[in-house]
Amino acid sequence: DAKTTQPPSMDCAEGRAANLPCNHSTISGNEYVYWYRQIHSQGPQYIIHGLKNNETNEMASLIITEDRKSSTLILPHATLRDTAVYYCIVEAASKLTFGTGTRLQVTL
Amino acid sequence: EAGVVQSPRYKIIEKKQPVAFWCNPISGHNTLYWYRQNLGQGPELLIRYENEEAVDDSQLPKDRFSAERLKGVDSTLKIQPAELGDSAVYLCASSLDRGDDTQYFGPGTRLTVL
Repeated sequence: DAKTTQPPSMDCAEGRAANLPCNHSTISGNEYVYWYRQIHSQGPQYIIHGLKNNETNEMASLIITEDRKSSTLILPHATLRDTAVYYCIVEAASKLTFGTGTRLQVTL
Repeated sequence: EAGVVQSPRYKIIEKKQPVAFWCNPISGHNTLYWYRQNLGQGPELLIRYENEEAVDDSQLPKDRFSAERLKGVDSTLKIQPAELGDSAVYLCASSLDRGDDTQYFGPGTRLTVL
């Protein structure tokens, strides 16, 4: 399974864009990049996923580099409710292998 | 649309006692997953069902853990007997498949073994 590397923690001011990086240098051609987040005491929440192209939905944007070795999750206008642990996952054969993620703290 | 439902939300038991967790997936979702999440760690897959069939149970400690999904809908995960190290959050997730593998998670059951 392709592994991912994320910074353990990040801070972001409320109202600013939060850019969360992820490295997945061993990703295979047919493996998707998924992002989930987990707010304290809740189950993981799906955010977005992509294969090659950049993706955008109502929650976030996903930017995948052309060589697919890294990606960035962008929360365009972070709010206090976006404080959570964000997991970047390379999905292989319907299997999600979670790491320890990035703890994003949004502050006033 | 209702999400994944799990019960109970919290459970406290003494070691060597049995415990069971219940999961009702999103309606129409064929695939069901059980994960365990230890404190400060990401979730780890225990077992994956496609309809009634357990297609990946390689990480399930079979000496004390068992799971079933008899009618391809609800599922139960059981531990017997529980050990102190089983204290964790047990998460259930489901996915539609048919080209969409996105997993949707329930709120989890927090198990404390004393």
